[in-house]
Amino acid sequence: ETGVTQSPTHLIKTRGQQVTLRCSSQSGHNTVSWYQQALGQGPQFIFQYYREEENGRGNFPPRFSGLQFPNYSSELNVNALELDDSALYLCASSLDRGEQETQYFGPGTRLLVL
Amino acid sequence: AQSVSQHNHHVILSEAASLELGCNYSYGGTVNLFWYVQYPGQHLQLLLKYFSGDPLVKGIKGFEAEFIKSKFSFNLRKPSVQWSDTAEYFCAVNERASKIIFGSGTRLSIRP
Repeated sequence: ETGVTQSPTHLIKTRGQQVTLRCSSQSGHNTVSWYQQALGQGPQFIFQYYREEENGRGNFPPRFSGLQFPNYSSELNVNALELDDSALYLCASSLDRGEQETQYFGPGTRLLVL
Repeated sequence: AQSVSQHNHHVILSEAASLELGCNYSYGGTVNLFWYVQYPGQHLQLLLKYFSGDPLVKGIKGFEAEFIKSKFSFNLRKPSVQWSDTAEYFCAVNERASKIIFGSGTRLSIRP
């Protein structure tokens, strides 16, 4: 257990819909990162939020967006879902935003887009 | 672009065998290196990390890794594996701030 929780655990959507995934970070952790893990692949960095502002982004289109709230919770929003968005979505929290910070991962939300 | 390669997709060993999982990265500057493990049904968790100093780093559960800068490698080792080491292992690197690049993972299966 890492103290990082995610909801829901599983989700089924259809192409074109929008989805919101939620993450609750460890208390005191002001940084959250989101990753997409396709089947058989390693996690791919989507973006990171530090103190409620975006602090870096990977190679994902703008329809992937996020929010971070003062109560250590955060959201990943994906608009106009595509079949290739089917994956496990992981959030990870860390105490701070430095590159040497250990990231603590949640269990993930498995999204299936039909 | 920076990348991480894990050449072994699936490794099968018997208990008590020695383990070495390969990891190579492409970035030539200062990097921070990690090995993460995902046990069946569990969260991804940190095994060990290297930032600077002694290139041989020790992690949890008897794992260690050696950073060889000239070879751009950060291989994971364990002298004697146990059935409970069955898991997926991910090598990762970041050179600045937020972005961690993960390899595609190596699935380790241990025969009891």
